[in-house]
Amino acid sequence: EAGVTQSPTHLIKTRGQQVTLRCSPISGHTSVYWYQQALGLGLQFLLWYDEGEERNRGNFPPRFSGRQFPNYSSELNVNALELEDSALYLCASSYRVGPQHFGDGTRLSIL
Amino acid sequence: DAKTTQPPSMDCAEGRAANLPCNHSTISGNEYVYWYRQIHSQGPQYIIHGLKNNETNEMASLIITEDRKSSTLILPHATLRDTAVYYCIVFSGSSNTGKLIFGQGTTLQVKP
Repeated sequence: EAGVTQSPTHLIKTRGQQVTLRCSPISGHTSVYWYQQALGLGLQFLLWYDEGEERNRGNFPPRFSGRQFPNYSSELNVNALELEDSALYLCASSYRVGPQHFGDGTRLSIL
Repeated sequence: DAKTTQPPSMDCAEGRAANLPCNHSTISGNEYVYWYRQIHSQGPQYIIHGLKNNETNEMASLIITEDRKSSTLILPHATLRDTAVYYCIVFSGSSNTGKLIFGQGTTLQVKP
């Protein structure tokens, strides 16, 4: 069974640019979650999508947004990139309220 | 705002059992105890979870005290590949937040 897949694995952007990160959940999973892990910091909850709807978002500015598609895959969009957005962005998926299973993330570097 | 307390680091000899403690004295009745681990540069890996009964799977065992205020994750025969940061998290699916709160975790170093 394929796990959660994220693309790209690495990305380099400059300040002010926009970025889109992609996530494919485990087959059969309907919920997708996004987390940010900045260097040396813990995982911070960003967003939760379930059945195409945003169910909850963490304490992040509106320039962090996303969506979930009918096939349950998801995108995370970050506008007006800032240096502090450099981090590992992790996607997780679950079936209903079951355990969240994580991908290996996209490492975003802002120059 | 983590609701769990874990020692920052532990060592374990290869081949021995690793016992990782976690305190969650404010756990609510509908909250489960979840354990994840994160190996450097990878995403967190789900290990096991439980409500009040002890649980075992192919990776580990989870022992929850009767009052549910603490738990222990047991890796029965630790290997070098078990070196990782281990996170104990309390979470309720019925809370409708979807949010796992990761604390600082315990860095387990398995030594030859």
